[in-house]
Parts: sequence; C-alpha cells; structure tokens
Amino acid sequence: AQKVTQAQTEISVVEKEDVTLDCVYETRDTTYYLFWYKQPPSGELVFLIRRNSFDEQNEISGRYSWNFQKSTSSFNFTITASQVVDSAVYFCALSEPSNTGKLIFGQGTTLQVKP
Amino acid sequence: DGGITQSPKYLFRKEGQNVTLSCEQNLNHDAMYWYRQDPGQGLRLIYYSQIVNDFQKGDIAEGYSVSREKKESFPLTVTSAQKNPTAFYLCASGRGNSGNTIYFGEGSWLTVV
Repeated sequence: AQKVTQAQTEISVVEKEDVTLDCVYETRDTTYYLFWYKQPPSGELVFLIRRNSFDEQNEISGRYSWNFQKSTSSFNFTITASQVVDSAVYFCALSEPSNTGKLIFGQGTTLQVKP
Repeated sequence: DGGITQSPKYLFRKEGQNVTLSCEQNLNHDAMYWYRQDPGQGLRLIYYSQIVNDFQKGDIAEGYSVSREKKESFPLTVTSAQKNPTAFYLCASGRGNSGNTIYFGEGSWLTVV
C-alpha cells in the first residue's frame, strides 16, 4: 500500500537557520510522483514541487532545495536561511498508481520560524 | 484570474442540517477533488471526479454527496448523516492523470453548532 510519513510534527527554528523537513514514502510502483505543498495560515495549499521517480537529481529553487533518494525512499525538503514568512504547514504527497491524479498526503510538518 | 474558488470561507451549521460547499474552477481541468483536513492531520480524500456526470468515492465518502453537472463546478454536500462534520474542506483540480499536479482552493471551514 502507498503511504507517506512525515515524522516531524512540529519544528521551531530561529530566523536565518537552515531547516530540513523529512518525508519518507512507501510504494510498490516503479513509476510514481512526489510533491511538496505549503499551507500558510490562510489555509490554501500552495504547490511547491513535483518530482518523478526517474529523476533523482536534486533541485534548488532560491532558498528551497529538495533531496530525492530512491535508495532510502525519501524526499526531503530544506529551507536555507529561513524567514518568518516560511512559517506554515508543509505536506509531502505521493501519487496513487491509478490514473486518477489522486494524491496520498503525509500528516504534515508545522514549521515555526521565530524572529 | 485563473484558479479555484471555494465558498463560503466560513460556515456554521446546526446539527441535523445539510450544507453545500461550492467549488468552481476556471483552469479547464478535467478532474476535481474534495479533501477533508482535521487539526494536526493530513488530507483525506472524500470524493473525486474525472469527467462531467461521473464521480467516485474516496476514502471517507460516508455522509457526503457530490455532483458534477458542469466541468467547472464540483459542489460538496455535507449531510446530516456525517457524524463529525466539523473540519476544513479543500477542493482541488487537475488534469486527472497520474502524476499531474493538483491545485487547491482556499478552503472552507465548517463548524457544527
């Protein structure tokens, strides 16, 4: 069965610290997709990144970077030099094998960045 | 602006009443989804629809109903049969194929009083 685990329920850092959010997934599929979403206090989930299982190259976008490792079934997300505006709940998600576009979400990690 | 619009943002319902949450998208997406989020928990799929006039149950469909009469619209009715309806409801849309990104609306808070 497909499953996504975000073991860190809450993380608190001081502004300018680096922080890594962990995501571990389980799937029997050879082709799958992984996602990260950000949920600020307003509630809307904002798409951050999508990764397919054949592309293990790390990705960097500004202060955000993602480390995808199939060997450990992990897709971790790092924020460099965190800012107060990064405070949010972050969700990792895995595509279901059915051709429906459905996603399986982890429990989410609440990140609090203090000034 | 393109996007997904949910209304109302906040809704209070008396026990025993049905309530309908609206979701409209102008992204020309074929698929639409309803997720429920409870405090401190992830998102759970209620219903989804990949095409007009067709929809499928998700993991927690009991006590909910949907319709998909138009491509742009996917309203969710929370019926009185839903035992614990107080939650945050998120509507999303996407192209419907595996691996396609889905995009979310701003959500609706439903409180039963």
